[in-house]
Amino acid sequence: SYDLTQPPSRSVSPGQTVDITCSGLQLGDRYVCWYQQKPGQSPLLVIYQNSKRASGIPERFSGSNFGNTATLTISGTQALDEADYYCQAWDATTEHVVFGGGTKLTVL
Amino acid sequence: QVTLRESGPALVKPTQTLTLTCTFSGFSLNTAGVSVTWIRQPPGKALEWLAFIDWDDDKYYTASLRNRLTISHDTSKRQVVLTMTNLDPLDTATYYCARSPFSGSRCFDFWGQGALVTVSS
Repeated sequence: SYDLTQPPSRSVSPGQTVDITCSGLQLGDRYVCWYQQKPGQSPLLVIYQNSKRASGIPERFSGSNFGNTATLTISGTQALDEADYYCQAWDATTEHVVFGGGTKLTVL
Repeated sequence: QVTLRESGPALVKPTQTLTLTCTFSGFSLNTAGVSVTWIRQPPGKALEWLAFIDWDDDKYYTASLRNRLTISHDTSKRQVVLTMTNLDPLDTATYYCARSPFSGSRCFDFWGQGALVTVSS
């Protein structure tokens, strides 16, 4: 099966930049999506097709995907960005949707 | 305005069959490229993809649950139904349905609010 690996947690100070990574074999050959999930809420699409911001998502969110690693970058992080973030990809070989294990972002 | 809403029983006994319904509006599942998926999330754990159905009625299932899942689409009711057989307490989770507007990337742009299903005797 195809696996996506994320760090369990990341922390950042308000106003700083944070990267959240997602690793998978030849991930750069696939489209990656990123979701934000706050406690008690449904996931919210943040980034699709590696680097496109979903509707209504602030410009401080950006994405990239090269080689084996996709990265979600939050610039000028705000307290309201504190949430769990999940990466997701579509493995056309196995015809499976795959999610990473999620990264809990803490804004200190 | 795109909306999705999950409905189904909140409590199911072990070994029983679960039927969940996703009622959607604001889009058509007959539009090329569109799909509706089911995803679940056990309490405090990560998202897990279960199944999706495409605009052309192609169906895809996660390998680990393939033998227990069936997904179907009722065009007239704008509903996608997921059945899961032989429930176990480990199937306790919030179940979400979501839409993907583009088959190339399979990103889910609209989600339902989720339905919590508890499996317990």
